Amino acid sequence: EAQVTQNPRYLITVTGKKLTVTCSQNMNHEYMSWYRQDPGLGLRQIYYSMNVEVTDKGDVPEGYKVSRKEKRNFPLILESPSPNQTSLYFCASSLRPSSYNEQFFGPGTRLTVL
Amino acid sequence: AQSVSQHNHHVILSEAASLELGCNYSYGGTVNLFWYVQYPGQHLQLLLKYFSGDPLVKGIKGFEAEFIKSKFSFNLRKPSVQWSDTAEYFCAGQRSGNTPLVFGKGTRLSVIA
Repeated sequence: EAQVTQNPRYLITVTGKKLTVTCSQNMNHEYMSWYRQDPGLGLRQIYYSMNVEVTDKGDVPEGYKVSRKEKRNFPLILESPSPNQTSLYFCASSLRPSSYNEQFFGPGTRLTVL
Repeated sequence: AQSVSQHNHHVILSEAASLELGCNYSYGGTVNLFWYVQYPGQHLQLLLKYFSGDPLVKGIKGFEAEFIKSKFSFNLRKPSVQWSDTAEYFCAGQRSGNTPLVFGKGTRLSVIA
């Protein structure tokens, strides 16, 4: 089944403890992206990747890192999480970076930073 | 800066009522527009999209949207909503080419019996 998977789905952690949220897609998509969703703010893009080894900042990149060593994986890294990073995170992918391609979303990761 | 605005934060309708959710974008030039839906506890799914051609776009589950270039709008409509349409709806826009997708803040729709 074609899909975008994220792990973990739920995570509660403490301030400063490094964590990684994994994202994987099995559709051979070139473009991958991370968003955070907060009440009243909609979805805001954190980072995106046009292809392997090509990443760029979105609207809210502060406090996050990403890597794209393989086409299928696009992990989101929080080196030192803070409470303001408590949010619902979505990974998405599309066949090409072009705007003509629909983005497919993962199931979401709900992160709480205490 | 490019932006997408959704005017309604929360809309409450009775079953069988007609729905129209507003969306405006601030791009000049060619733009691609999308409506996504997020059912409670689920991820976003594409409802419909506009790239070019007929400005009236039909999507899944009886939804449609009309692109009105002169008004920079892409409102979502459904003639008769059902309880199962309860969800959050996001409008999104993107300049043609390799540019990031920009989302509106979302509109929560609650359909009551």
